[in-house]
Amino acid sequence: DAGVIQSPRHEVTEMGQEVTLRCKPISGHDYLFWYRQTMMRGLELLIYFNNNVPIDDSGMPEDRFSAKMPNASFSTLKIQPSEPRDSAVYFCASSLTGYYGYTFGSGTRLTVV
Amino acid sequence: SQQGEEDPQALSIQEGENATMNCSYKTSINNLQWYRQNSGRGLVHLILIRSNEREKHSGRLRVTLDTSKKSSSLLITASRAADTASYFCATDGQAGTALIFGKGTTLSVSS
Repeated sequence: DAGVIQSPRHEVTEMGQEVTLRCKPISGHDYLFWYRQTMMRGLELLIYFNNNVPIDDSGMPEDRFSAKMPNASFSTLKIQPSEPRDSAVYFCASSLTGYYGYTFGSGTRLTVV
Repeated sequence: SQQGEEDPQALSIQEGENATMNCSYKTSINNLQWYRQNSGRGLVHLILIRSNEREKHSGRLRVTLDTSKKSSSLLITASRAADTASYFCATDGQAGTALIFGKGTTLSVSS
């Protein structure tokens, strides 16, 4: 397996633009997680899915953020409109269980100017 | 919200020395895990210790857990330059919730 695959690796966009981050989890993993990492706040859980169903989205900072998982092999995190304070590294992770042995992707570094 | 807090924030040692990182957490847990993050990469799972365990070993890693003090430590023995990375503890908090990570300890091992 190629691991958790995220795209793009880097994204630079202007304030107000829509941004879509993509994730392909490991086949057979039932859980998918989106985290955001910044120097100030560390790793923050944004949302997670179990069997494609969103379980906890309490970490999504604002209505500008939305996430979907239309099938077991694909998830998106969308920010619309983007703001400079959204600049961060966004990680997707998947696991067989919800609490053990997460496999992380390499992340998407988002810069909003 | 942060469940685990690592200490120290940064640690610099020479190759061959041991490195000890600590983690404190706030609520009851089922297990505690440690992850490593190399610069520019995602986190990699290192080791898990369950709440009913006090110590666990994996290669050059030794993890201890003290549930009465709500704290854990990660010891890396005979460190190597390749151990240079950030190390995070993660807890589940309550059963059925996703892992919550601390802010990490940045370890620098110089040769």
